[in-house]
Amino acid sequence: EADIYQTPRYLVIGTGKKITLECSQTMGHDKMYWYQQDPGMELHLIHYSYGVNSTEKGDLSSESTVSRIRTEHFPLTLESARPSHTSQYLCASSETWVSYNEQFFGPGTRLTVL
Amino acid sequence: AQKITQTQPGMFVQEKEAVTLDCTYDTSDQSYGLFWYKQPSSGEMIFLIYQGSYDEQNATEGRYSLNFQKARKSANLVISASQLGDSAMYFCAMRGITGANNLFFGTGTRLTVIP
Repeated sequence: EADIYQTPRYLVIGTGKKITLECSQTMGHDKMYWYQQDPGMELHLIHYSYGVNSTEKGDLSSESTVSRIRTEHFPLTLESARPSHTSQYLCASSETWVSYNEQFFGPGTRLTVL
Repeated sequence: AQKITQTQPGMFVQEKEAVTLDCTYDTSDQSYGLFWYKQPSSGEMIFLIYQGSYDEQNATEGRYSLNFQKARKSANLVISASQLGDSAMYFCAMRGITGANNLFFGTGTRLTVIP
């Protein structure tokens, strides 16, 4: 079983609020990812990190930001939430660059912005 | 760039029957991995099976097998002896070795197992 955690699991907030979605893994993985998934749709990469102090934007443009100060922690922040940010956010990690390493996913955060 | 295509938005299967979920892919990478994930209504992504581009044998994991046809660029998932708990969304995904090394996902197939 994967040791990757996300909090909160569900979040309902009002427009304009600042929020941080937490993601932690205890596997010592260098690579971490954030995916966004609208209901019934595929996942799209919005951020990734090669390791500490490394962050990159993914394929899907996002107004969110991320940080990677510790290997195990990869939080995602929205400075001012809007209804268009309503979605599920999934955090993942993997061990190496090699294509056969699976990505382990957290349980996801379902965000609703009113 | 990688692209995954799943052409079946929804599938129905009778309990205890087998079902095939289709997946085709496109990539310019010589080395890549193909994955299938299951996503129940609770939202988490559950890894099912992996196939490497250089693997000659089709991957199998319990009731799951991957029918890999490299020349056709297809990687279909076969679930044998379907169970009610198999009802979920199923995503085919590809991971290359360039760029972000992330997973590229298809649009998914919603499988419903009928008692």
